[in-house]
Amino acid sequence: AQKITQTQPGMFVQEKEAVTLDCTYDTSDQSYGLFWYKQPSSGEMIFLIYQGSYDEQNATEGRYSLNFQKARKSANLVISASQLGDSAMYFCAMRGDSNQAGTALIFGKGTTLSVSS
Amino acid sequence: EAEVAQSPRYKITEKSQAVAFWCDPISGHATLYWYRQILGQGPELLVQFQDESVVDDSQLPKDRFSAERLKGVDSTLKIQPAELGDSAMYLCASSPGWGAADTQYFGPGTRLTVL
Repeated sequence: AQKITQTQPGMFVQEKEAVTLDCTYDTSDQSYGLFWYKQPSSGEMIFLIYQGSYDEQNATEGRYSLNFQKARKSANLVISASQLGDSAMYFCAMRGDSNQAGTALIFGKGTTLSVSS
Repeated sequence: EAEVAQSPRYKITEKSQAVAFWCDPISGHATLYWYRQILGQGPELLVQFQDESVVDDSQLPKDRFSAERLKGVDSTLKIQPAELGDSAMYLCASSPGWGAADTQYFGPGTRLTVL
């Protein structure tokens, strides 16, 4: 069974600083995808970044980068130059590959990020 | 930019009443998901559609929940009768396919409160 673990219930960072949100995963699939989503207090889930299990380079999207360490089964999100608008809940999720449909995202419990000025 | 639409955004109902939620996925997305998110937790899948067919409803409480996607486009999730424990955020998502690399895009959600 697939599992995502986020061990940091809350993180605090000052504006303009970088912050790392931890995520470890467990799966027996050879091919899988790892995703990070942001959920502000308004409730919508906003896609941030994707990393494929066979990707050799770490994914980057603007201020977001994913530190992918396959052997350690970790997929940490790094946010550079934090902004007040980054305050939100962040979810790590994974999805296995399958020839059949029925591969929904498995989410962690989330980390609440608070950015202060 | 194409978005997933959901309505209503908020719903307050009394227990034993029926409620229905609507979702319109991004145009051309064959795969549609309904997730339930209890406060303080990550979303969990209720049902997944591929076009008009259900491909995973193993976590759907079928005695009270039903879902349909009749023409393979928009979808409705119904709860009858609602119970206090159904209070949660109901999120709809869509993706082009079901591969590991297919990103799921979420709608704004429906926040349900059962009194």
